[in-house]
Amino acid sequence: DTGVSQNPRHKITKRGQNVTFRCDPISEHNRLYWYRQTLGQGPEFLTYFQNEAQLEKSRLLSDRFSAERPKGSFSTLEIQRTEQGDSAMYLCASTLTVDGYTFGSGTRLTVV
Amino acid sequence: AQSVAQPEDQVNVAEGNPLTVKCTYSVSGNPYLFWYVQYPNRGLQFLLKYITGDNLVKGSYGFEAEFNKSQTSFHLKKPSALVSDSALYFCAVRPFSGGYNKLIFGAGTRLAVHP
Repeated sequence: DTGVSQNPRHKITKRGQNVTFRCDPISEHNRLYWYRQTLGQGPEFLTYFQNEAQLEKSRLLSDRFSAERPKGSFSTLEIQRTEQGDSAMYLCASTLTVDGYTFGSGTRLTVV
Repeated sequence: AQSVAQPEDQVNVAEGNPLTVKCTYSVSGNPYLFWYVQYPNRGLQFLLKYITGDNLVKGSYGFEAEFNKSQTSFHLKKPSALVSDSALYFCAVRPFSGGYNKLIFGAGTRLAVHP
């Protein structure tokens, strides 16, 4: 599989619980992005990695959110103490160049 | 502020007719421009991009887009719509400077193609 893989596809969690999502980018892509998409809106940038370094974080990424990319390969996005407002589709994208973004199918989070 | 506007929430077109999905942008410098399509419960699929060169860009599934610098627009077009084109379409821009290449997306336009 040469695409961007995201797991799980769907996650339902109770408010206050912690959740973690995983993204496996295309293997040769050194740049990795996380976006959040709420209903009726376009994706909004959350954070960016170049290799293992997290180089940019959006103001949308509150203290409850943390992302990692150990060894510059897969990435994880963790949300602590989830709130109903966190319900959204979380999209991962990777690229090697500035014009070749490939998106995964996303993880849909529902906080009940 | 850098932004992308898709002025139409929904576009309705009959199968076989031409379609246009509008996009305007506001960024500094010369941006890279993209169109993506999203089917229900799926991620974004790349359609086409404008980096430099010819203002008319051809992409996947018969779509094309025209870059107009003076009007800061990048409208998506297709000469003959198919029912299977019905989906959510997003215009995105990568600002020329700053932001580590992140994309700024419009709110999306839902295209409905009727038989």
